[in-house]
Amino acid sequence: KNQVEQSPQSLIILEGKNCTLQCNYTVSPFSNLRWYKQDTGRGPVSLTIMTFSENTKSNGRYTATLDADTKQSSLHITASQLSDSASYICVVSDRGSTLGRLYFGRGTQLTVWP
Amino acid sequence: EADIYQTPRYLVIGTGKKITLECSQTMGHDKMYWYQQDPGMELHLIHYSYGVNSTEKGDLSSESTVSRIRTEHFPLTLESARPSHTSQYLCASSEATGTLNLGEQYFGPGTRLTVT
Repeated sequence: KNQVEQSPQSLIILEGKNCTLQCNYTVSPFSNLRWYKQDTGRGPVSLTIMTFSENTKSNGRYTATLDADTKQSSLHITASQLSDSASYICVVSDRGSTLGRLYFGRGTQLTVWP
Repeated sequence: EADIYQTPRYLVIGTGKKITLECSQTMGHDKMYWYQQDPGMELHLIHYSYGVNSTEKGDLSSESTVSRIRTEHFPLTLESARPSHTSQYLCASSEATGTLNLGEQYFGPGTRLTVT
């Protein structure tokens, strides 16, 4: 069964601190892994997308890593800001279907305190 | 910012009413999707479309129906709303992606539906 598991479920950090969110998946055949940011009451917005040949990708203060062998990914946020408070969703896409099906994790709810 | 729009943003309605959730995109994308999301839970695909006159049911069984008469428009309809339909509904679109599925999915802001 294709699944995406994220940890921790929720996280509270102080402004300016760094944090790392984890994602494990069992989706096969694997095509790509995406991290989305979802603000409360809004739709998800893409942060990064990585294929199986990419180990790391950055987008500003966000850096995602991928280990396709162990089927793990992480999202590192540097120098957190209050606006980083949101749910961060790990999404994995399979290969071969013309639909472009995405498998979603439940997200990590990040709260940044001043 | 993606050019995909959903209306209404919030809807509170009584049991038994017929409702239509609107979704429009101006990017010319062929593929469009409807997801359902409960608080703290993952998004579940309920409907998708490859293009005009193409609609399919997703992974999560839903009593809603969809239509795709125009490329830019993908409305979702509930003939008789029930409290169990209370949820957030997210619409998305993407361009053709090939078998690697690398196309970006752009999400609308969502409709928060409450059925009383």
